[in-house]
Parts: sequence; C-alpha cells; structure tokens
Amino acid sequence: EIVLTQSPDTLSLSPGDRATLPCRASQSVDNNYLAWYQQKPGQAPRLLIHGASRRATGIPDRFSGSGSGTDFTLTISRLEPEDFAVYYCQQYGTSPLTFGGGTKVEIK
Amino acid sequence: QVQLQESGPGLVKPSETLSLICNVSGDSISSYSWSWIRQPPGKGLEWIGYMYFRGNTNYNPSLQSRVTISVDTSKNQLSLKLTSVTAADTAVYYCARAAPGKTYYDVSSGYLHTYYFESWGQGTLVTVSS
Repeated sequence: EIVLTQSPDTLSLSPGDRATLPCRASQSVDNNYLAWYQQKPGQAPRLLIHGASRRATGIPDRFSGSGSGTDFTLTISRLEPEDFAVYYCQQYGTSPLTFGGGTKVEIK
Repeated sequence: QVQLQESGPGLVKPSETLSLICNVSGDSISSYSWSWIRQPPGKGLEWIGYMYFRGNTNYNPSLQSRVTISVDTSKNQLSLKLTSVTAADTAVYYCARAAPGKTYYDVSSGYLHTYYFESWGQGTLVTVSS
C-alpha cells in the first residue's frame, strides 16, 4: 500500500498569499496518477486536480499541481477567502487507492 | 450533471450490518464505475471499494472480509453493506463517480482498476453505538 504524507497538518496564511502544499508518497506513483481534493466543513470533497497537473472542469487557474514520482505539490497562487479549507491528495497509480491525511489552510 | 444522494440508517448497533444506498441521477449507472469512501469524524478519507461498470468489484484489503458493493441498474442505485460493525466504523459515508486511471493485472486479485473521484454525494453520517 502506498502511504501519502501531507505535512504540515496546518498552514496559516493570509488572503492573497501563495500556498504550497506538499504530498509525499512512500513509493513512486505510477503514471503520476495523483489527484487533489478540497473539502470545506460539512461538505463533500471536490476534485481540483488529476494526473498530478490537470485541472478538473471549472477549477480556477490559481490552482495548479506539479510533481512526479514520489513528490507532488498543490499550489494556490493567490489565496481567495473561499480557498481556506482542507486539501487531500490521493494516489490512483496502484490499488488500494489511498489518501493523504490532509493539510488545513487556515486564515492567519 | 450527475447527482448522487446517499441514504440509510444513521445509527447501527455494534456487530450488526450497515446498509447504505446511493441514488444516482443524471447518468446511467451502467455507464460508469462507482466507489464508496468514508471519513470518520474529524479525520481523513478512506477508500472502501469500487464497482467497475462491467460488474466486478475490488475492495480495500482492510475491509475486504466485511464489505459488499453492488448495483441495481433498474433503480440506478449503488449499495454498500458492511458487516460486523464496531465503533471504528462510525463515519460519514460518501458515494462517488469514479474516473478511470489504469487497468492492470495482479496475480492474486486478477484485473484491477484505479480511479480518482470526479463527483461526490453529500455524504451520510453513520454512527455505530448500542
């Protein structure tokens, strides 16, 4: 099973800041099959990125994904008030499908 | 646009079976693959299993002995059954439409598919307690 580590647990930032969220895999993720989700309190997760860098339909271009192998990053270029949430990475290169523990982006 | 709605008992007694339904609208359930994912209160996400659109299933090894996912195409519904539940199974349960990653052959499990999750239901909280 591939273990995904998201650190830190919490990022304290201000609106307008750049957010950089890492996700590290315990082994290489096949085909860079890595997705990112955003979850707000009381809501279901929402797909942001798949294939490490492909934005899902309707996702603003301030969200971008990068990385390969074992190291991946979600970047939010300029935080909007609605971006303060929890972000999860998920690998789908190998079964079982696994998620990272999440990074909460909170208002500083 | 697909819509997913989970439903089922909000309270299940320990050792009993958790049964949930996901109603799918806006898509034919036969045209896609589907998954269940859960989230214990205040914690992260755990993939439970998938139903491939051609009918076979694959489950998380941590739950494999207790879980069954099935589809009722006449009702456009996905279902989840989890037996012998304990307090550790208390969670919000989500159904999701699965977008394909890759297909590969595993010598012990046969053909396996991988997915990311492009559409989610709102989730339903199931509490396991006597």
